[in-house]
Amino acid sequence: EVQLVESGGGLVKPGRSLRLSCSTSGFTFYDYAMRWFRQAPGKGLEWVAFISTSPYGATTEYAASVTGRFTISRDDSKSIAYLQMHSLQTEDTAVYYCTRDAISDFTNDFWGQGTLVTVSS
Amino acid sequence: EIVLTQSPGTLSLSPGERATLSCRASQRVSSRYLAWYQQKPGQALRLLIYGASTRATGIPDRFSGSGSGTDFTLTIFRLEPEDFAVYYCQQYGSSPRTFGQGTKVEIK
Repeated sequence: EVQLVESGGGLVKPGRSLRLSCSTSGFTFYDYAMRWFRQAPGKGLEWVAFISTSPYGATTEYAASVTGRFTISRDDSKSIAYLQMHSLQTEDTAVYYCTRDAISDFTNDFWGQGTLVTVSS
Repeated sequence: EIVLTQSPGTLSLSPGERATLSCRASQRVSSRYLAWYQQKPGQALRLLIYGASTRATGIPDRFSGSGSGTDFTLTIFRLEPEDFAVYYCQQYGSSPRTFGQGTKVEIK
């Protein structure tokens, strides 16, 4: 069974940092590109970051709103994806979800349940 | 960036009825790259449809996706009690991937 479990969320003050983890199981993590999305309270879904597979150089892409502040990475030996967040702002308050890109169609076929990040003084 | 607009915002229906959800894009979306998801409180998003019309693994055949270009539809034939949820469309053919704002299907 494919599982993605996010962790690391919590309450943090503006300007501080936080690292989210996405622990996976039930599939060969090495073969899949990974993404993070977020959903602010009462709002819609927003793509945050992408990382390709290691054979493709683990290249990364970011939404304009987080470029320069967030870093996505992966540890294939542990089957974990990370999202390092710096200089957090109140607008970053959201539930953060990790997903994988399906190999066949590139859609986001499995999602975690999310971890809540609250940025507040 | 492709903007997706879903309608209606809320759909009030009874179990057994048919739900028709619309998703309109601001630019043409390759029909291979339009997906529909179901979201329930506290649960992971569930992929229902990809490629505009292909059901994901394990999705009942009462869920049907159609459309092309800029207009897409998700139809739920004969609503079951577990189908009352929020539904999102997503385009994943161009970056950034974007979502509609969601349609809530609630019990009438």
